[in-house]
Amino acid sequence: AQSVTQPDIHITVSEGASLELRCNYSYGATPYLFWYVQSPGQGLQLLLKYFSGDTLVQGIKGFEAEFKRSQSSFNLRKPSVHWSDAAEYFCAAPNNNDMRFGAGTRLTVKP
Amino acid sequence: DGGITQSPKYLFRKEGQNVTLSCEQNLNHDAMYWYRQDPGQGLRLIYYSQIVNDFQKGDIAEGYSVSREKKESFPLTVTSAQKNPTAFYLCASNPGVNQPQHFGDGTRLSIL
Repeated sequence: AQSVTQPDIHITVSEGASLELRCNYSYGATPYLFWYVQSPGQGLQLLLKYFSGDTLVQGIKGFEAEFKRSQSSFNLRKPSVHWSDAAEYFCAAPNNNDMRFGAGTRLTVKP
Repeated sequence: DGGITQSPKYLFRKEGQNVTLSCEQNLNHDAMYWYRQDPGQGLRLIYYSQIVNDFQKGDIAEGYSVSREKKESFPLTVTSAQKNPTAFYLCASNPGVNQPQHFGDGTRLSIL
């Protein structure tokens, strides 16, 4: 079965520092991959998506992600974190007729 | 603006009671989904529907029921058979296979 894994449950970074959230996927063919963000008490918002082509994908809010087939990874990055980036982040991939989500990584931003 | 509307935002259930969570979308998407979210467990699929009048069980369908009588609407009923219904429920839709899902703002269900 196709799956995605987020190894980090919780990450804390200082405001202004760089950020990398990890996502690993398990697929046979070229995957479609997504990153979502969820603020407390709200739904998920799509940050970016990878379908094919360029392995570096730009998203909203200054986020980017890089697809690395050799490492089966699709890590999310941001060069400088803002306090408003504190939220939960989910990596996801389609699986037949539904979507498989990672368990999520909660990001805390220190002043 | 197009989107997904979930109501109510907060819902309380008494012992032995069935409650229904509403999900309406005006995105003209064929596929709709219901997820349950518990702390530290990510999203778990309850039911999904690819087309009107058809739906399939997800990973945790026991104690839940759905209907899909209209393209725009996909209500979820939490029955009294669901013994641990306290959770955050999310509705989503998507325009086609391999496309990202769009989400509503969720309903938080609690037990009285």
